[in-house]
Amino acid sequence: DTGVSQNPRHKITKRGQNVTFRCDPISEHNRLYWYRQTLGQGPEFLTYFQNEAQLEKSRLLSDRFSAERPKGSFSTLEIQRTEQGDSAMYLCASSLYEGVGLYTFGSGTRLTVV
Amino acid sequence: QQPVQSPQAVILREGEDAVINCSSSKALYSVHWYRQKHGEAPVFLMILLKGGEQMRHEKISASFNEKKQQSSLYLTASQLSYSGTYFCGTIHGSSNTGKLIFGQGTTLQVKP
Repeated sequence: DTGVSQNPRHKITKRGQNVTFRCDPISEHNRLYWYRQTLGQGPEFLTYFQNEAQLEKSRLLSDRFSAERPKGSFSTLEIQRTEQGDSAMYLCASSLYEGVGLYTFGSGTRLTVV
Repeated sequence: QQPVQSPQAVILREGEDAVINCSSSKALYSVHWYRQKHGEAPVFLMILLKGGEQMRHEKISASFNEKKQQSSLYLTASQLSYSGTYFCGTIHGSSNTGKLIFGQGTTLQVKP
């Protein structure tokens, strides 16, 4: 297993466009998390899944954001009608529900909204 | 709910020691420490669980004071490669059922 994979690595989009990011977790991990990180800040929690169930969504997340994990494997994060404030690094991590909950992060998708 | 890290920034010379602190206002199940270099993903350093276990990884060690809801990361004889931003992440409650909430980070710069 090569770890957590995120695509694309970089995305530049015009304001108002929709974007979709993909995350492929470590195959045996049943939990998957999305975080957003802006410059100089720690990763900010967005949402997480256990298998295909979305267990929690941050109150900070507007209705323009949606995430899915249809078969309990890969996940997608979609942002509709992007705004300049959406520019950030979007990080995906996965872990096992059992055990100590060690997170493995992907390399992230850097979104720039122009 | 976000843990508070201190100091915000540290500048060291190679070979010097540093301590980074992480405190929470809520009961903790575990504390996770990560290091992130500019433009890269956070890299796992260690996990500390309830019970005050102290863990060690090469010249980096950490402690977890469950009563005070605090953790400290000790960097001994720092190397240039230690430069980066250190984040603590906390899981609250009595078991591993929640998500990691990260602190705002501590930037460490090690100079030759």
